[in-house]
Amino acid sequence: NAGVTQTPKFRILKIGQSMTLQCTQDMNHNYMYWYRQDPGMGLKLIYYSVGAGITDKGEVPNGYNVSRSTTEDFPLRLELAAPSQTSVYFCASSRGLAGGDTQYFGPGTRLTVL
Amino acid sequence: KQEVTQIPAALSVPEGENLVLNCSFTDSAIYNLQWFRQDPGKGLTSLLLIQSSQREQTSGRLNASLDKSSGRSTLYIAASQPGDSATYLCAVERGTGANNLFFGTGTRLTVIP
Repeated sequence: NAGVTQTPKFRILKIGQSMTLQCTQDMNHNYMYWYRQDPGMGLKLIYYSVGAGITDKGEVPNGYNVSRSTTEDFPLRLELAAPSQTSVYFCASSRGLAGGDTQYFGPGTRLTVL
Repeated sequence: KQEVTQIPAALSVPEGENLVLNCSFTDSAIYNLQWFRQDPGKGLTSLLLIQSSQREQTSGRLNASLDKSSGRSTLYIAASQPGDSATYLCAVERGTGANNLFFGTGTRLTVIP
C-alpha cells in the first residue's frame, strides 16, 4: 500500500517556466489537498477536491491550477513560476473532510524558482 | 482569521524526560484539533485527533488535551526517546470544510541520547 505518492521530489525552475506536480493516492479517498509549506510557517491550503471532477480554492490559490479527472490523481499546475512560489509542496488525502478525519500526506516536492 | 501558535519553536531534552508541547489558537470556536509529526524531508503523519466533543486523546506514550475555552492544546510525550526527534505541528478545524483547517508553525523537538 503506497499511500500518497508525489513526483518529483525536487525541482528547480526558472522564472516564467511552468510545471506540473503529480500526486496519486491508492486509498480510494474522495478528498485530496495541496498545501505549501514555507520555512518557519505553517502549511497553507492551495486547492482541494472533494471528488473526481470537483475542485475548489484554498487560502493561497493564485498562480496555481488543479484538475481531478480520477479519484486517484490530483495534479497541481504552476503557470509562469515566480520566486514567491519557492516552497515545499505537500499533497494529502482523506476519507472524510480535513480536520474531522485523518489526512495522509505525501513526502513533498521541494521547488526552487530562480 | 484563526491564528495558531506553537511555542517554543525548538526544544531539546535529554532522553527519558517527560515533555509538553503547546499549541494556542485565537478562535475558541473550533471543531477538531489534530497533532502531526513531521520528519525531516518527509510529509506529515497524523498522531492524534481530538474531536469537538472530546477533551483528550491518548496513543501509547502520547497524550493530547484540548481546552477550547482557553484556546490551548498540549501534547504530552512520556519517557522521550531519540526516535521522537521531529517537528510536531498542531492543526485546528475552525468549521466544516476543507478550507477551515489551520496549521501551527510547529515545534522542532530534539531528544538527546
